[in-house]
Amino acid sequence: DGGITQSPKYLFRKEGQNVTLSCEQNLNHDAMYWYRQDPGQGLRLIYYSQIVNDFQKGDIAEGYSVSREKKESFPLTVTSAQKNPTAFYLCASSPTGQGRTYEQYFGPGTRLTVT
Amino acid sequence: GNSVTQMEGPVTLSEEAFLTINCTYTATGYPSLFWYVQYPGEGLQLLLKATKADDKGSNKGFEATYRKETTSFHLEKGSVQVSDSAVYFCALSERGAQKLVFGQGTRLTINP
Repeated sequence: DGGITQSPKYLFRKEGQNVTLSCEQNLNHDAMYWYRQDPGQGLRLIYYSQIVNDFQKGDIAEGYSVSREKKESFPLTVTSAQKNPTAFYLCASSPTGQGRTYEQYFGPGTRLTVT
Repeated sequence: GNSVTQMEGPVTLSEEAFLTINCTYTATGYPSLFWYVQYPGEGLQLLLKATKADDKGSNKGFEATYRKETTSFHLEKGSVQVSDSAVYFCALSERGAQKLVFGQGTRLTINP
């Protein structure tokens, strides 16, 4: 079955450590996205990538970094510079091209807790 | 810029009640409109979509009609179930843009 996988589901880290969240998709989508969701809040876009080896900052990119070396993979690194990293992180992908409506398909999320 | 405004929650209903969750948008051009649902501890699932004026998206008993004249995309269901308890997000994507703009979400609780 095609879909998006995020691992792990729960992640715990000590303050000051970098941590990388995994996102893999087998939907053959060109575009991938990372969002942050805080309790009771909506989604905020961190980074997105429309094609391999290219990515753009979203609304809250500070303290985060990404890479897009393969079409299937879009890992997110939460660095020690991110002041409040505890949150629920969602990865999504989207088909692109003329005539597309750009609906996004989401993974199950990773809940990161930093203490 | 583009924006989406949803009715504030939480919304609490009894089973079999009629549901409306309001969504209005501001956008240049002719956006595509979406409703997503998020169950506790999970990612978002695409519930339905509409791509042009007067289109009606529908899925699992939920419906929403793209109203260009009122810039609205209200979500409705005739008879809700306990299993519909979730957070619902309205979103738009402007043509040619590869990003979605989300509303703040509306938490729905259905009591038996």
